[in-house]
Amino acid sequence: DQQVKQNSPSLSVQEGRISILNCDYTNSMFDYFLWYKKYPAEGPTFLISISSIKDKNEDGRFTVFLNKSAKHLSLHIVPSQPGDSAVYFCAASGLGTSYDKVIFGPGTSLSVIP
Amino acid sequence: GAVVSQHPSRVICKSGTSVKIECRSLDFQATTMFWYRQFPKQSLMLMATSNEGSKATYEQGVEKDKFLINHASLTLSTLTVTSAHPEDSSFYICSASSTAYGYTFGSGTRLTVV
Repeated sequence: DQQVKQNSPSLSVQEGRISILNCDYTNSMFDYFLWYKKYPAEGPTFLISISSIKDKNEDGRFTVFLNKSAKHLSLHIVPSQPGDSAVYFCAASGLGTSYDKVIFGPGTSLSVIP
Repeated sequence: GAVVSQHPSRVICKSGTSVKIECRSLDFQATTMFWYRQFPKQSLMLMATSNEGSKATYEQGVEKDKFLINHASLTLSTLTVTSAHPEDSSFYICSASSTAYGYTFGSGTRLTVV
């Protein structure tokens, strides 16, 4: 059973507009959430994270929102740039510590159209 | 920032041989290291979690006798794919976690078994 879900396998956005990537999780024990960006044949690159004690974390063009009651988080990229085109993985960890194993969602492939 | 070096980046081996993949944390000590594999167009799947000096914890469905993990020091973990078969061809990624840097990923290893 998938504990971390990303229901949109792909997303296309015009350059300069906002990209919104969604993620849902099922395990209420998760307390730390991460977003990674991945290019083909490379390892994931960490983008941004959020602890369950917060509902928003912002870093430059990237903002992550967390709705604990809905077990939902989203990554906003604004403005989107062609270099943002990649696969984005939502990940969750926890079970009592922020440094437990990380469970990844299936990923969303983002294409930013110039 | 934290860097995790993983090599080789690509390896081609004959069916029945063994392949070793190394994962090193270059400027920090990793309390825990994780090994993932990714099939084409699929998410990263956690294979095992290893702590220095102790046996690795394997996820359900992962053969521990086939995927040997050695975590000899706080900066080095190795994954050995024994008696490799074509179905073992995949992209393998390691991750190191630390209290200072959270999760840091290696760049991955593309294994092709012919």
